[in-house]
Amino acid sequence: DGGITQSPKYLFRKEGQNVTLSCEQNLNHDAMYWYRQDPGQGLRLIYYSQIVNDFQKGDIAEGYSVSREKKESFPLTVTSAQKNPTAFYLCASSPSGASGANVLTFGAGSRLTVL
Amino acid sequence: GQNIDQPTEMTATEGAIVQINCTYQTSGFNGLFWYQQHAGEAPTFLSYNVLDGLEEKGRFSSFLSRSKGYSYLLLKELQMKDSASYLCAVMDSNYQLIWGAGTKLIIKP
Repeated sequence: DGGITQSPKYLFRKEGQNVTLSCEQNLNHDAMYWYRQDPGQGLRLIYYSQIVNDFQKGDIAEGYSVSREKKESFPLTVTSAQKNPTAFYLCASSPSGASGANVLTFGAGSRLTVL
Repeated sequence: GQNIDQPTEMTATEGAIVQINCTYQTSGFNGLFWYQQHAGEAPTFLSYNVLDGLEEKGRFSSFLSRSKGYSYLLLKELQMKDSASYLCAVMDSNYQLIWGAGTKLIIKP
């Protein structure tokens, strides 16, 4: 079955540590996205990539980094520079980036807690 | 600034009908999306509207009025499994999605 796999589902981190969240898709989608979801707020875009070896900052990129070395993979690193990293992180993909009916397929999410 | 407003929480009874409203102010418009998200799970796509009017898909319908900056999601014959958050999102002129905070729908027997 085609879909998006995020891992780990739950992650605990000490302050000052970097952590990498995995996102893999087998949908052959060109575009991939990372969102952050906090209670009472809409999804906020961290980074997105419309093609391999290229990515753009979203609205809240500070303290995060990504890579897109393969079409299927778009890992997110939460660095120690991110001041409030505890959140639910969602990875998504779509066939292409800039089109109207751009339906996103989401992964099941990764919940990061900083101790 | 860009803004999407939807009620924080709604309660309805099993078997009834509920309407979840979404109003928006964005820089341009390239369509409006509704997603369903069960607690702790991935959002899943429900509907997409780009022209004014009603789109019906089984028990779910979505309406759009571009002149009023308004949409609603109508859920009929409510079932307990419809208890979830419903997210409204608008694609702006740069093809960026602007998301509402979501409406948590509680279904009571």
